[in-house]
Amino acid sequence: GQQLNQSPQSMFIQEGEDVSMNCTSSSIFNTWLWYKQDPGEGPVLLIALYKAGELTSNGRLTAQFGITRKDSFLNISASIPSDVGIYFCAGRKSEGSATNKLIFGTGTLLAVQP
Amino acid sequence: GAVVSQHPSWVICKSGTSVKIECRSLDFQATTMFWYRQFPKQSLMLMATSNEGSKATYEQGVEKDKFLINHASLTLSTLTVTSAHPEDSSFYICSAPTGWYGYTFGSGTRLTVV
Repeated sequence: GQQLNQSPQSMFIQEGEDVSMNCTSSSIFNTWLWYKQDPGEGPVLLIALYKAGELTSNGRLTAQFGITRKDSFLNISASIPSDVGIYFCAGRKSEGSATNKLIFGTGTLLAVQP
Repeated sequence: GAVVSQHPSWVICKSGTSVKIECRSLDFQATTMFWYRQFPKQSLMLMATSNEGSKATYEQGVEKDKFLINHASLTLSTLTVTSAHPEDSSFYICSAPTGWYGYTFGSGTRLTVV
């Protein structure tokens, strides 16, 4: 199945550091979503982006929808131990319909050392 | 908010037996349910899309006869892994569109075939 390219694959950082990860695609998406998944659980939505160029924040998280609509990035500022988990980007192609499927990125494993 | 209840959360079965996984939308009607499979340290791969009252749509490479999907009502979708084998061991997650742009994920089912 199709997947989005997400980097880095993993990150090991110290508590308090900022984190940045990105997602790229060869095709255009009209919606970009960022999820966090803890072990043995389903993904939880962090941020949703609906317009090219949009920059959206959710607490210490900031995400941007690339101008080309082929990429997105997620920043986490001042990381804390509970930020540990796997982060996935997801893109949706069709506009105006909630029933279109999501294509997920390959994931970024984040480890935060206290 | 919208909740998708997925059961069981984990199951161990013998090779050759069948296992049914249920996803229920608790406070909304889900006309569509997406079924994903996630192998360890990998991303979510869409297997199929179920639609209430019609046949499911399977992604390329997913065996229809092995992964039976039924969407019998607006609140229940099921995935049955038939004649399970160890290579079917994985984390299965369902997701339903909620609202205009959102998706709600179940908590996942860890299937182990021995």
